Amino acid sequence: EVQLVESGGGLVQPGGSLRLSCAPSGFTFSTYWMAWVRQAPGKGLEWVANIKHDGSDKYYVDSVKGRFTISKDNAKNSLYLQMNSLRVEDTAVYFCARHGSRVFDQWGQGTLVTVSS
Amino acid sequence: DIQMTQSPSSLSASVGDIVTITCRASQSINTFLGWYQQKPGKAPKLLIYAISTLQSGVPSRFSGSGSGTDFTLTISSLQPEDFATYYCQQSDSVPWTFGQGTNVEIK
Repeated sequence: EVQLVESGGGLVQPGGSLRLSCAPSGFTFSTYWMAWVRQAPGKGLEWVANIKHDGSDKYYVDSVKGRFTISKDNAKNSLYLQMNSLRVEDTAVYFCARHGSRVFDQWGQGTLVTVSS
Repeated sequence: DIQMTQSPSSLSASVGDIVTITCRASQSINTFLGWYQQKPGKAPKLLIYAISTLQSGVPSRFSGSGSGTDFTLTISSLQPEDFATYYCQQSDSVPWTFGQGTNVEIK
């Protein structure tokens, strides 16, 4: 059974940093693209970033470019999202998702990031 | 960026009804269109990819169609467990974008 388990969310002040982690199981992590998708409270879904299976290519939504970094450690079977210079508008549930057949075919349960003073 | 526009934003329907949700892209997205279902407090679930391919384990009452810029999700006979929010999503070009969602409520 495929599972994705996020961790690392919490309350942080504007301008602060946070690192999200995602622990996959049930599939060969090193062969898949992976992504982060977020959902602000009461709002729709927004793709944030994705990364090629070997970590060689990364893509970001414009609003997080230069502030967020997606990374993938195939040896440790882990996906990360380093978030710096956080803004109030980054407040959301962040989902880790497997990117297969150019869609997000498996999702974690999400971790809440709250940016507030 | 490719904009994805869903209609309606919400609808009320009864068990057994046929439900149709449309999604329009601001430019052609070839076959890179997926549909997701999300229930409150839960992660989204992939229903359909490549316009019309049913994800493994998804009931056959769900179907997708369309081409180019106009796409449709149809639920042939609405079941109690289908009341949820549905999103379309394009992966033709970065940034991958979602529609704003369609909330299917009980009539």
